[in-house]
Amino acid sequence: EVQLVETGGGLIQPGGSLRLSCAASGFTVSSNYMSWVRQAPGKGLEWVSVIYSGGSTYYADSVKGRFTISRDNSKNTLYLQMNSLRAEDTAVYYCASTSLGGSFYYFDYWGQGTLVTVSS
Amino acid sequence: SSELTQDPAVSVALGQTVRITCQGDSLRSYYASWYQQKPGQAPALVIYGKNNRPSGIPDRFSGSSSGNTASLTITGAQAEDEADYYCNSRDSSGNHVVFGGGTKLTVL
Repeated sequence: EVQLVETGGGLIQPGGSLRLSCAASGFTVSSNYMSWVRQAPGKGLEWVSVIYSGGSTYYADSVKGRFTISRDNSKNTLYLQMNSLRAEDTAVYYCASTSLGGSFYYFDYWGQGTLVTVSS
Repeated sequence: SSELTQDPAVSVALGQTVRITCQGDSLRSYYASWYQQKPGQAPALVIYGKNNRPSGIPDRFSGSSSGNTASLTITGAQAEDEADYYCNSRDSSGNHVVFGGGTKLTVL
């Protein structure tokens, strides 16, 4: 059974940094595409970032240059390093296994999410 | 990047059929995927690709597409289908992802 468990959320001041973790079980993070998707309170879903199995990374324009996605193969864990945090980054952050091909791009398994609140 | 547009809210009588739509230029090139999200829960994939359901998703859920519009159809809506529904696809760049704004489905 695939399980994804996010940790690392919390209250952080504007300009601060936070690292989210997503521990996976039931499949191998390094062999799959993995993404972060966020949801601001009462709002819709927003894609944040993806890391390909080959290591390529992509970011939404709203976080590019501030966030870094990475993984630790030995720990089977996905990370999101978030720097220069802003109030508008406040959201529940989900990690999700990702399937993509020439004509499709979808998120098949999701974690339960971790809440990041950026406020002074 | 492209955008996907969904109606904010849709309602359906119990047992009837409802269609939730998603419009966007990227849908001319890429399939939409659909997610169901109930209050306090993570989203769950219900339709992907041309019209595929993950294991455990009832066959009353189906997907279709025409031109720049993708549709999620629930045939014989049940009370437990009341939820927010989101579509997504690749954007026109191919390396990014776009989500629709979501549709709140009420089952009357």
